[in-house]
Amino acid sequence: GESVGLHLPTLSVQEGDNSIINCAYSNSASDYFIWYKQESGKGPQFIIDIRSNMDKRQGQRVTVLLNKTVKHLSLQIAATQPGDSAVYFCAENTMDGNKLVFGAGTILRVKS
Amino acid sequence: EPEVTQTPSHQVTQMGQEVILRCVPISNHLYFYWYRQILGQKVEFLVSFYNNEISEKSEIFDDQFSVERPDGSNFTLKIRSTKLEDSAMYFCASSPGVEYTEAFFGQGTRLTVV
Repeated sequence: GESVGLHLPTLSVQEGDNSIINCAYSNSASDYFIWYKQESGKGPQFIIDIRSNMDKRQGQRVTVLLNKTVKHLSLQIAATQPGDSAVYFCAENTMDGNKLVFGAGTILRVKS
Repeated sequence: EPEVTQTPSHQVTQMGQEVILRCVPISNHLYFYWYRQILGQKVEFLVSFYNNEISEKSEIFDDQFSVERPDGSNFTLKIRSTKLEDSAMYFCASSPGVEYTEAFFGQGTRLTVV
């Protein structure tokens, strides 16, 4: 069946350092991936997405890497700030799918 | 910036009672979703809705659940007879398309069943 999981449940980083959050997925038919950020008491907020025909996509301070060979997705946050503290979820969708499957989530804590 | 809005923000109900959670999706979006998140767990898909009908639903979305788009702006989730295990955050989301488009989430309704 479909499943999306994360390697590390909690990540603590020093302010200013780079953060890397990892995600493994098992559905080889998934072809669209999204990273969401969820702050306490709020809904998931879109960060960045990537299609399966790409292996890297950059946004403002964030980069998503996709390795389809090993079904692995990562989110890199440059110069991590206290405001980046949140739970980060990866989510996947298939081309003919009509739903997002979310991973378990990683808590990012930024130490000042 | 357009956003998905949900009401109420918090709903407390007695076990066995019916609840209706309300959502106003982004106006030009065509696909609507309900997700739930039990405290401390991941976001789980419940149902997707397009063209006035359910397009996909999960095993969680049993006969106790129903969705409706009663007018051109609202999208509701009804739970007919709530159970203690229905306590969770319920998120509504919408997207302009289905392929390669992100879903925009509301702030959620916290449902507490006592």
